[in-house]
Amino acid sequence: DTEVTQTPKHLVMGMTNKKSLKCEQHMGHRAMYWYKQKAKKPPELMFVYSYEKLSINESVPSRFSPECPNSSLLNLHLHALQPEDSALYLCASSQDLKWGNTIYFGEGSWLTVV
Amino acid sequence: ELKVEQNPLFLSMQEGKNYTIYCNYSTTSDRLYWYRQDPGKSLESLFVLLSNGAVKQEGRLMASLDTKARLSTLHITAAVHDLSATYFCAVGNYGGSQGNLIFGKGTKLSVKP
Repeated sequence: DTEVTQTPKHLVMGMTNKKSLKCEQHMGHRAMYWYKQKAKKPPELMFVYSYEKLSINESVPSRFSPECPNSSLLNLHLHALQPEDSALYLCASSQDLKWGNTIYFGEGSWLTVV
Repeated sequence: ELKVEQNPLFLSMQEGKNYTIYCNYSTTSDRLYWYRQDPGKSLESLFVLLSNGAVKQEGRLMASLDTKARLSTLHITAAVHDLSATYFCAVGNYGGSQGNLIFGKGTKLSVKP
């Protein structure tokens, strides 16, 4: 099983809403990632978690708040987003942070902020 | 600052033909990943290249890495329609931990009969 599962697949939220994106993997991976991909653009790294601890925060605005409650789950809490935050949010995982490990991506969550 | 450039950005080719996608990057790195993305879908890992001279092949795709030239190539042999997708290269930020990947803009490949 090389699957990273993301929910919901589609989310429409208002600028005053609070919502969360969820990501789950059961491959025993200890590194998990959030990427953001705008339409027809490459993915951009947002956060990296290693052994449930935040390892990298790529200067992401505080309206995005990641959480890693355990080694299988990764959440992205959303609050007071702007329309320009509309994008595909990709979760990914790898065995750990050692270079060379395959990074597996989920199907993504399409977010629209209205 | 690490920058990654892919070319071409768009590629229309006929079935049966060969072609190469190029990925240049601006600073030292020996960590190069190739991904495929179908429209509306996620990223599928194709190759991971971790040393100078590394070459990997899977089916009609072959990837190579020249760290001295800061260049990776993705060669397509005898293209078929099923290869139509967007191909991204991603380069690891030297000194950073895995996950700190900088992606190229992607090459949208269309294979026509």
